Amino acid sequence: DGGITQSPKYLFRKEGQNVTLSCEQNLNHDAMYWYRQDPGQGLRLIYYSQIVNDFQKGDIAEGYSVSREKKESFPLTVTSAQKNPTAFYLCASSRRGASSQNEQYFGPGTRLTVT
Amino acid sequence: GIQVEQSPPDLILQEGANSTLRCNFSDSVNNLQWFHQNPWGQLINLFYIPSGTKQNGRLSATTVATERYSLLYISSSQTTDSGVYFCAVASIIQGAQKLVFGQGTRLTINP
Repeated sequence: DGGITQSPKYLFRKEGQNVTLSCEQNLNHDAMYWYRQDPGQGLRLIYYSQIVNDFQKGDIAEGYSVSREKKESFPLTVTSAQKNPTAFYLCASSRRGASSQNEQYFGPGTRLTVT
Repeated sequence: GIQVEQSPPDLILQEGANSTLRCNFSDSVNNLQWFHQNPWGQLINLFYIPSGTKQNGRLSATTVATERYSLLYISSSQTTDSGVYFCAVASIIQGAQKLVFGQGTRLTINP
């Protein structure tokens, strides 16, 4: 089945620890994205990557880091510098560029709780 | 940046009713998507509709790009239609698209 997988589904961490969220896709998409959702809110863009070994900050990148070593994978690290890390994190992918067919598709998400 | 406003914020209906959800956006866009977020948090793609009208079963959507709004119609609602509906828009900047989401419309369909 083609799709986007995120793991784990639920993640619990102590304050001060870094944590890495996994995102893998087998849709052969060049572009990948990370969004954050807080309760009762829409999604906000953290980072995005259009191609391997390249990525750009989104609207709320502070306290997060990413890597893009493979086309299929775009892991997100929530660092101890992120002031309010508890949230629902969603990964997405799409074709790249200005094509009219660059619809974004989303993974099932990871719920991170930091205490 | 682009602003996206969805209305109404909450909508409660009986099974079988029809509903219209609205999305207003502040600037011209290359991409507009409607999503349904189910109770488990999964975002399900409903429509990719930067302009024009599309239909898929009981759902249809219309985007009037020149007037900067989109409408999602749900006919003969079922309890499984419950959830949050999001509109998201993007412009293409240097080949990259960054979706900006509205706050969503929470739809509750009662049996």
